[in-house]
Amino acid sequence: DIVMTQGVLPNPVPSGESASITCRSSKSLVYKDGKTYLNWFLQRPGQSPQLLTYWMSTRASGVSDRFSGSGSGTYFTLKISRVRAEDAGVYYCQQVREYPLTFGSGTKLEIK
Amino acid sequence: EVQLVETGGGLVQPGRSLKLSCVASGFTFSSYWMYWIRQAPGKGLEWVSSINTDGGSTYYPDSVKGRFTISRDNAENTVYLQMNSLRSEDTATYYCAKGFAYWGQGTLVTVSS
Repeated sequence: DIVMTQGVLPNPVPSGESASITCRSSKSLVYKDGKTYLNWFLQRPGQSPQLLTYWMSTRASGVSDRFSGSGSGTYFTLKISRVRAEDAGVYYCQQVREYPLTFGSGTKLEIK
Repeated sequence: EVQLVETGGGLVQPGRSLKLSCVASGFTFSSYWMYWIRQAPGKGLEWVSSINTDGGSTYYPDSVKGRFTISRDNAENTVYLQMNSLRSEDTATYYCAKGFAYWGQGTLVTVSS
């Protein structure tokens, strides 16, 4: 199984600053079509998860351009620019390269 | 507007069965893969099952393989999760999702005697 390992944020992050969340996979997530099968989600307290980016760097519909995904085949970063109170919650990365699909353990973002 | 509404959760004894339903609206249901994902209280997300557009292909992690069965009724815009031989570790909020872009509000399953 592909193991997804997420980093920890130095919380809380001051409002208006940037935050970068890291995720590492135990195997390359690049498929033969050249796409990288990595999703990022945000789960706000008491809510269902929300898809932020897919194919590593493509923003989902309606997602602010303050969120940007980047990375290589095994190391990924979600950057949040000018953080706001509404960005608080737990961020998850997920690989959809192969079954079983696996999530990282989550990275909590707190805003000051 | 895409809507996914899960029902069927509740309190069930270990070893018993439960069937979850997820009714979809706002999109062409038969054109999309559907997924079940769960979240134990205070824990992270765990993928539980996938089903392709016609129901002919299904996938499960080892933790539920042989006990859970996903199915769909494209005429009724509904995806199901039949859960048998339930264990305490299956206690979680169960979400259905359309391609991971849209999620329902979840239904809580508690397995306890």
